Amino acid sequence: SQQGEEDPQALSIQEGENATMNCSYKTSINNLQWYRQNSGRGLVHLILIRSNEREKHSGRLRVTLDTSKKSSSLLITASRAADTASYFCATDATGGFKTIFGAGTRLFVKA
Amino acid sequence: EAEVAQSPRYKITEKSQAVAFWCDPISGHATLYWYRQILGQGPELLVQFQDESVVDDSQLPKDRFSAERLKGVDSTLKIQPAELGDSAMYLCASTATGGTGTNEAFFGQGTRLTVV
Repeated sequence: SQQGEEDPQALSIQEGENATMNCSYKTSINNLQWYRQNSGRGLVHLILIRSNEREKHSGRLRVTLDTSKKSSSLLITASRAADTASYFCATDATGGFKTIFGAGTRLFVKA
Repeated sequence: EAEVAQSPRYKITEKSQAVAFWCDPISGHATLYWYRQILGQGPELLVQFQDESVVDDSQLPKDRFSAERLKGVDSTLKIQPAELGDSAMYLCASTATGGTGTNEAFFGQGTRLTVV
């Protein structure tokens, strides 16, 4: 079973706009990670946020974590056509080593 | 830059045949994962190794799937016999666990399996 659920399932925006994706999860976690996957390729790690952190930035990426709501959001600012990909959240549950993925948000950025 | 190596990249096999995938994790990474990803879905964990030991194989269909990591380094995932429903991308990932508190997983490019 999958721990996280991303929302929306699909998102289409114009280049230059911001894209926001959300992730909800079920159990207590040590950390939450976001990954990107281009079509037919492996996953690339984007950013990790620990359970005691509330917000983290990396370039055009901003991640927030609300452990009380068991949710996270990924914001991509000033999107580019190259950002077109699927984005997954993954969680490491407290007490375990597992990394469990959600079903992903498919982002399409139109040039 | 170190990366997770997987082979083959693509595999087409007939149903009822045996198929095997290979993964070489990043050097020094103790934890190795095999995931299956059906088109349009997220990766589903099949098996997790810590060194040469299986930590979790609860989602591995053990009647036809097997995985090994004999020396705690590279790993092989086998399917015998393959079924049409096994068509998917098989992803290998590794992490450096313990001490750092981070579990960033590094993924290989995957093996795309098509069963005909």
